[in-house]
Amino acid sequence: EAAVTQSPRSKVAVTGGKVTLSCHQTNNHDYMYWYRQDTGHGLRLIHYSYVADSTEKGDIPDGYKASRPSQENFSLILELASLSQTAVYFCASSEGGQAPLFGEGTRLSVL
Amino acid sequence: QQKVQQSPESLIVPEGAMTSLNCTFSDSASQYFAWYRQHSGKAPKALMSIFSNGEKEEGRFTIHLNKASLHFSLHIRDSQPSDSALYLCAVSITNSGTYQRFGTGTKLQVVP
Repeated sequence: EAAVTQSPRSKVAVTGGKVTLSCHQTNNHDYMYWYRQDTGHGLRLIHYSYVADSTEKGDIPDGYKASRPSQENFSLILELASLSQTAVYFCASSEGGQAPLFGEGTRLSVL
Repeated sequence: QQKVQQSPESLIVPEGAMTSLNCTFSDSASQYFAWYRQHSGKAPKALMSIFSNGEKEEGRFTIHLNKASLHFSLHIRDSQPSDSALYLCAVSITNSGTYQRFGTGTKLQVVP
């Protein structure tokens, strides 16, 4: 069964600390995405990738880095976490630019 | 830059009613238009998508697209309490690769 698995599912981080969110897909999809969701903002794209070892900036990339070491894995890195990065983060994968399949989300709280 | 906006922000309808959700966009160059549904605490899931002007029906759900008016909509016939969720519209953006840009969502509550 097609799946996108995120880890951790929730995390509490301190301001200024480093946070890494991981995503693994078993769908053999070429595209992977990181979105963040805040109340009143829908889903906003942070970074995406359509091939291993390459990432692209989305609509709100500032303060985030991404890494795609293989087709199956895509990480989101917050080098210096800030209060404003408290949100729910969704990873997704898709074939081409079609409708993405989302993971269950990671709830990040930065204190 | 392509802007995607949804209306209304929230909606309460009685069970059995027709529900209509709206999405407007600012650039007709997009090729792919979709609706997603997200139940509370869950991941968004694709409901329906459309590529060209017109209408598409799947069960109780119908999607309309009018690119000239920069508008597409989702209609839910015979709304059920289980339809209560956040509904997100999305349009495709082609830059370096292709991705979906989402609206801010409409929160639907269907009351028995």
